[in-house]
Amino acid sequence: AQKITQTQPGMFVQEKEAVTLDCTYDTSDPSYGLFWYKQPSSGEMIFLIYQGSYDQQNATEGRYSLNFQKARKSANLVISASQLGDSAMYFCAMREGPSTNFGNEKLTFGTGTRLTIIP
Amino acid sequence: EADIYQTPRYLVIGTGKKITLECSQTMGHDKMYWYQQDPGMELHLIHYSYGVNSTEKGDLSSESTVSRIRTEHFPLTLESARPSHTSQYLCASSSRGVSYNEQFFGPGTRLTVL
Repeated sequence: AQKITQTQPGMFVQEKEAVTLDCTYDTSDPSYGLFWYKQPSSGEMIFLIYQGSYDQQNATEGRYSLNFQKARKSANLVISASQLGDSAMYFCAMREGPSTNFGNEKLTFGTGTRLTIIP
Repeated sequence: EADIYQTPRYLVIGTGKKITLECSQTMGHDKMYWYQQDPGMELHLIHYSYGVNSTEKGDLSSESTVSRIRTEHFPLTLESARPSHTSQYLCASSSRGVSYNEQFFGPGTRLTVL
C-alpha cells in the first residue's frame, strides 16, 4: 500500500482564490511527521510546512496552513490567496518514527500535485 | 536559505562513462541524502548517510555508489552510465535539533545519458 497518496495529479486555480491540496498517509507508527514541499520548474525542493503527529494545533506558516485530520489520516495543504508564483509541483512527505531517533529522518514522498495558478 | 550545492546542474554524457555528481553543504548537518526523481514523479531515496564514514542504501535500488569522507561532502558516482540512469538527482541534508528536522535540498542535477 502507498504510504503517501496525493490523488490530484493537477489543479488549475484562479489567482487570489484559496486552494486545498490533498494528502492521505498510511502508518502504524504513533509518532510521525508530515511535510509539504514545493518544487518549481527550476527543480529545487522548498520546504513549506510541518505537522507532527502529536501537535495539538494545525500548523500554519504565512499563507500556508495544514488541515490535519489524524483520525482520517489526512494532511491537506491549504494555500490562501493564491499567487502566480505558487504555480509548481507540491509534494507531501512523511517521516515515520520520532525525529529524535537515530536515522529516522528518512522521508517517503507522494507522487505530487501540479498546481497552476491562472491570472 | 539553505546552503547546499550541487554540481553540475545539467550533464549530458555518453553510455559507459564514469560520472560523479557533487553535493556539498555548509550547514554542518550530520545527515545527507540522495534522491532520484523522474520528470513529474515522486522522489525516491537511493542513498543516505548518518555522518562521516556512514553510508546506507535507500528504498530504491541504485547502481550508484556514495562516499562520506567529510561532513560537508556527499558525492554520488556512477561507474558506467546507461540511458536508464537518465533522471534528476537531488541531494539533501538535515540535522536533529534544527527546526523541524526538515531536509534542505540542493538545486538538483539533471542527468541525461545518451
